[in-house]
Amino acid sequence: NAGVMQNPRHLVRRRGQEARLRCSPMKGHSHVYWYRQLPEEGLKFMVYLQKENIIDESGMPKERFSAEFPKEGPSILRIQQVVRGDSAAYFCASSSGQLKGYGYTFGSGTRLTVV
Amino acid sequence: DAKTTQPPSMDCAEGRAANLPCNHSTISGNEYVYWYRQIHSQGPQYIIHGLKNNETNEMASLIITEDRKSSTLILPHATLRDTAVYYCIVSPQGAQKLVFGQGTRLTINP
Repeated sequence: NAGVMQNPRHLVRRRGQEARLRCSPMKGHSHVYWYRQLPEEGLKFMVYLQKENIIDESGMPKERFSAEFPKEGPSILRIQQVVRGDSAAYFCASSSGQLKGYGYTFGSGTRLTVV
Repeated sequence: DAKTTQPPSMDCAEGRAANLPCNHSTISGNEYVYWYRQIHSQGPQYIIHGLKNNETNEMASLIITEDRKSSTLILPHATLRDTAVYYCIVSPQGAQKLVFGQGTRLTINP
């Protein structure tokens, strides 16, 4: 029973390039959440998606960031025209939709470095 | 904003019980107390949660005060692998996002 799979584990991008982060939820989970953790800081909620729908994007920066969770395939967090301030660890979590018991299951994260 | 207050850091000797406090004086009646931890460079890991009764599982025990305004996570026999940042979170059951605070950085010393 594979957990939440994120790839790549490490991603290096030059300023101005695009970054695509992928997240495959646990089997049976249809809810995906993205969190960002800046160096030496706590995790901040970014966006919550269900299949083909964005439910809550209150934590997403207004520009350059987008997320999707298509009917087939992984959830994608896309960052256009990256800047050095985007360097962070990005964590994806999945759930079955009810925050009880195990709540979320987190992936191991993608470490984005913008040079 | 996080609704909890935790000490920024704590130390504990290996083999001893680690007791991590959390204040949540504004907790609502329908909010649970959740504990997660984040070992260096890894994703957060669920530990335990409770509403008002004390809870125990294979990882830890959770003691919630009668007025529910504070709680304590207990790691009964801490090991070096328990070194991590521990997050106390209050959230209604069914809420769709967790609000993480700064947590407590627990260091287990040999």
